[in-house]
Amino acid sequence: EAGVTQSPTHLIKTRGQQATLRCSPISGHTSVYWYQQALGLGLQFLLWYDEGEERNRGNFPPRFSGRQFPNYSSELNVNALELEDSALYLCASSPTSGATNEQFFGPGTRLTVL
Amino acid sequence: GQQVMQIPQYQHVQEGEDFTTYCNSSTTLSNIQWYKQRPGGHPVFLIQLVKSGEVKKQKRLTFQFGEAKKNSSLHITATQTTDVGTYFCAGSHNNNDMRFGAGTRLTVKP
Repeated sequence: EAGVTQSPTHLIKTRGQQATLRCSPISGHTSVYWYQQALGLGLQFLLWYDEGEERNRGNFPPRFSGRQFPNYSSELNVNALELEDSALYLCASSPTSGATNEQFFGPGTRLTVL
Repeated sequence: GQQVMQIPQYQHVQEGEDFTTYCNSSTTLSNIQWYKQRPGGHPVFLIQLVKSGEVKKQKRLTFQFGEAKKNSSLHITATQTTDVGTYFCAGSHNNNDMRFGAGTRLTVKP
């Protein structure tokens, strides 16, 4: 069974640009979570999608947004990039809605903002 | 907002020594999960605790959930070099999304 996949692996942008990161959950998983992991730091919760709807978002500005498609894949968009947005962005999926299921993480997208 | 605090931030041990990381919340948690992230890797689920006072073991790893469901710990007995990585706890309030602690980075000297 294929795991969670993310693309691209690496992304280099300049300040003010927009970035789009993609995530494909494990087949059958309906929930997708996005996290930001700055170098040497913990996982900061960004967004949670389930069944195509945004269920919750973390303490990030509105320029961080996303969506979940009918096939449960998801996209994270970051507008007006700032230097401090440089981080590893991790996507995770779980079988159903709610926090009682383990999350399966993808390999991440390393975003560098110059 | 909901926060889960984790200490220590770093722990360096000699191979064979024990290791413990602690997780605390100011409010009652529905459940707590533990993950391990190897250097250069992504977090991998280790275990979930749900019941008050629950204790679970996985070989040399012992996980505890406090009686008040506000704290948890992960204890590793006789560490090995394969235990190197960052250990994260993640707590849920009211079965909403999980909030991760900052993690404890464990290094083991052979």
